[in-house]
Amino acid sequence: AQKVTQAQTEISVVEKEDVTLDCVYETRDTTYYLFWYKQPPSGELVFLIRRNSFDEQNEISGRYSWNFQKSTSSFNFTITASQVVDSAVYFCALSGGYGNKLVFGAGTILRVKS
Amino acid sequence: DVKVTQSSRYLVKRTGEKVFLECVQDMDHENMFWYRQDPGLGLRLIYFSYDVKMKEKGDIPEGYSVSREKKERFSLILESASTNQTSMYLCASTQSSASGKRDTQYFGPGTRLTVL
Repeated sequence: AQKVTQAQTEISVVEKEDVTLDCVYETRDTTYYLFWYKQPPSGELVFLIRRNSFDEQNEISGRYSWNFQKSTSSFNFTITASQVVDSAVYFCALSGGYGNKLVFGAGTILRVKS
Repeated sequence: DVKVTQSSRYLVKRTGEKVFLECVQDMDHENMFWYRQDPGLGLRLIYFSYDVKMKEKGDIPEGYSVSREKKERFSLILESASTNQTSMYLCASTQSSASGKRDTQYFGPGTRLTVL
């Protein structure tokens, strides 16, 4: 069975601090995809990144970076110099098997204070 | 631009009522999904559809049914709403996975349903 664990329920930081959101996954598939989504207070899930299991290169997009380590089954997300607008719920998700289904973690609430 | 819309942002219904939640996508996607989101549980898959008139149960289908008569529209039906179905409902769509490629799911804004 597939499973995604986001151990941090809630994180509070002060603006400009760096913050890392952890994601650990379990799967027996050899080919799978990992995702991060952001859910701001408005409620809509916003796609941030997709990574396939054969690509372990880290990725950076502006203040966001992702660290994929197959050896530890982790796909962590770091926000550098956090801003108040980064306050949201962040979900890590895993896709594999039939039908393009996603398995989501429980989410991490990030609060950035000014 | 990717667009998934849901018929209502907020909905209040009474126990026992029949409830329809509508989702429409304009991207010609084959696959559509219904999730419910509850605090501490993340998103859980209720039903999904990979083609018109096709449907498959997700992880928590009990108490729900779905309808997909047209490619762009996927409806979630609560035959007899109960208080434990109070939740946020999210619809998503993606292209076909026939190629084995795992395409990105795009989500609608969600419907917050309260059953009294």
